[in-house]
Amino acid sequence: AQTVTQSQPEMSVQEAETVTLSCTYDTSESDYYLFWYKQPPSRQMILVIRQEAYKQQNATENRFSVNFQKAAKSFSLKISDSQLGDAAMYFCAYRTNAGGTSYGKLTFGQGTILTVHP
Amino acid sequence: SQTIHQWPATLVQPVGSPLSLECTVEGTSNPNLYWYRQAAGRGLQLLFYSVGIGQISSEVPQNLSASRPQDRQFILSSKKLLLSDSGFYLCAWSVGAGSDTQYFGPGTRLTVL
Repeated sequence: AQTVTQSQPEMSVQEAETVTLSCTYDTSESDYYLFWYKQPPSRQMILVIRQEAYKQQNATENRFSVNFQKAAKSFSLKISDSQLGDAAMYFCAYRTNAGGTSYGKLTFGQGTILTVHP
Repeated sequence: SQTIHQWPATLVQPVGSPLSLECTVEGTSNPNLYWYRQAAGRGLQLLFYSVGIGQISSEVPQNLSASRPQDRQFILSSKKLLLSDSGFYLCAWSVGAGSDTQYFGPGTRLTVL
């Protein structure tokens, strides 16, 4: 079974600075997707960024970018020019692209609480 | 555009009482639907998913059940709640069998006393 590990329970960053959140995963599959979701105090899960495993190019979305290292099974999120609104819990998630009983299932890490200091 | 609704937003129920949480999606057809539970503000656990009307797959054995009476409606139920059922319940949807991304609803906070 796939597992996702976020080794940083909490992180903090100064406003306008850059922070990197770590995520590692364990899988024997070669075709899958990785996601970062943000959960603000409202608790609604918001998609931040998505990476397809067969693409070597790292995904970027405005101030958010990932460092995807497939061989190392690492998927870190970099937030540049941090803003107060970035404060939230961030979850890394894995989704297989295979069919069967795991179809569509997202496996989540335990989350990292990000605090942004003004 | 697609939207997803969940209700109620919060719910406090006594142990042994029944439960019904509802999730509806607008703006799309034949979505895949999911129920997740989040305990203690940490990781989410998939409970059920459905790829079509009347089709339910359960990921973990538990005190809960799910039903999909209409294409865009997903219901989470229990006949008798347990203390351990407390948590934050999130519904999600996706479209397509390939590179589908899941989008989440606002969630329901359930407290069982």
